[in-house]
Amino acid sequence: GAGVSQSPRYKVAKRGQDVALRCDPISGHVSLFWYQQALGQGPEFLTYFQNEAQLDKSGLPSDRFFAERPEGSVSTLKIQRTQQEDSAVYLCASSLWLRGPGQGPGGYTFGSGTRLTVV
Amino acid sequence: TQLLEQSPQFLSIQEGENLTVYCNSSSVFSSLQWYRQEPGEGPVLLVTVVTGGEVKKLKRLTFQFGDARKDSSLHITAAQPGDTGLYLCADPPANAGGTSYGKLTFGQGTILTVHP
Repeated sequence: GAGVSQSPRYKVAKRGQDVALRCDPISGHVSLFWYQQALGQGPEFLTYFQNEAQLDKSGLPSDRFFAERPEGSVSTLKIQRTQQEDSAVYLCASSLWLRGPGQGPGGYTFGSGTRLTVV
Repeated sequence: TQLLEQSPQFLSIQEGENLTVYCNSSSVFSSLQWYRQEPGEGPVLLVTVVTGGEVKKLKRLTFQFGDARKDSSLHITAAQPGDTGLYLCADPPANAGGTSYGKLTFGQGTILTVHP
């Protein structure tokens, strides 16, 4: 597709439930990022993939969060045993470039996000 | 990690008014980006500023990078309801040494509402 596609757009989970959020980046984009955005705040970095390699997972808030990109294209962010503080919008972004979102035409492209509400 | 402070946090104005939002840091930026995020959408890049003192214009939007590269401002002239959104500044990592990979650090944003 022309953009970054995320699904589902909305997810309501009961506390303790596991969830999986999907990101389809732009075809051919090497770099893929996940961010978490609380209501009215700026996005915060979670993790980074270069092709299928997860090179940075320093932003994942706990070991309940797990991300994968097994074939270097689609990525899944999984949250186990969800808690109310996990409620947020989860954004995926991809980039053709290996370094720097400003280093090439268009830089990053963000998806529209998945809004997760844990009740 | 560099901390970015944006002000004001909220701004509510009438159509046709001018406004300025700010992004500040105690450290020097290698470069700085401004994004706009509409409700229910991801952030969209507006501009990247690199050189101290640089001014860039995008229609009614004027972006300025401070001489010391520690602050930036976004000025909107004659605001329109379509300008409503969350305005974010972000600090891409420096590319010195070629080891950075583009992880962005965002400010907390300015929520702008323009009333018709």
